[in-house]
Amino acid sequence: EDQVTQSPEALRLQEGESSSLNCSYTVSGLRGLFWYRQDPGKGPEFLFTLYSAGEEKEKERLKATLTKKESFLHITAPKPEDSATYLCAVSNYGGSQGNLIFGKGTKLSVKP
Amino acid sequence: GAGVSQSPRYKVAKRGQDVALRCDPISGHVSLFWYQQALGQGPEFLTYFQNEAQLDKSGLPSDRFFAERPEGSVSTLKIQRTQQEDSAVYLCASRSALGTDTQYFGPGTRLTVL
Repeated sequence: EDQVTQSPEALRLQEGESSSLNCSYTVSGLRGLFWYRQDPGKGPEFLFTLYSAGEEKEKERLKATLTKKESFLHITAPKPEDSATYLCAVSNYGGSQGNLIFGKGTKLSVKP
Repeated sequence: GAGVSQSPRYKVAKRGQDVALRCDPISGHVSLFWYQQALGQGPEFLTYFQNEAQLDKSGLPSDRFFAERPEGSVSTLKIQRTQQEDSAVYLCASRSALGTDTQYFGPGTRLTVL
């Protein structure tokens, strides 16, 4: 069964304190791995798509990396506005045409 | 340009009532997905449309849930005889074409069943 596990469940950082969020996955055939940001009361906001092991993508203070078993979201020198829940999801080549299988998310709090 | 919109944003229903949730996808997007998100959880897949065709409804939790997209644009998720366990945020996402993978989400409808 396809599955996504995110850790930690919650992470508290001081402003400027860099860290990483982990997403471990098992999937029959990886079509893509996705990172989304979700603010309270809002829908998920797309950040990155990764397709193959070794791939990396960056956006401002965020950098996503992918291996055959997991993905990391690295946050460099975070600011309070980076506080949100970060969701990881995978899609596979079987079944429905690319529906996403999500983890439970990591809730990030950045204190000034 | 305009993103995915959903209405209403909040819905309170008494147990046993029927509700209808609307999704307006990004203009021209072929694929449309519905997800259910319980408090503190990630979204879970409910159903998928390609244009007006419902190609996958394997995630619908019971036959009280019904979705349609009659003209291949706006979609409605209907829940009949609502139960307390139906309380959740219902998210709609759209995607431009089969060859692309990025799904763009709406703000969701928070359903509370009393």
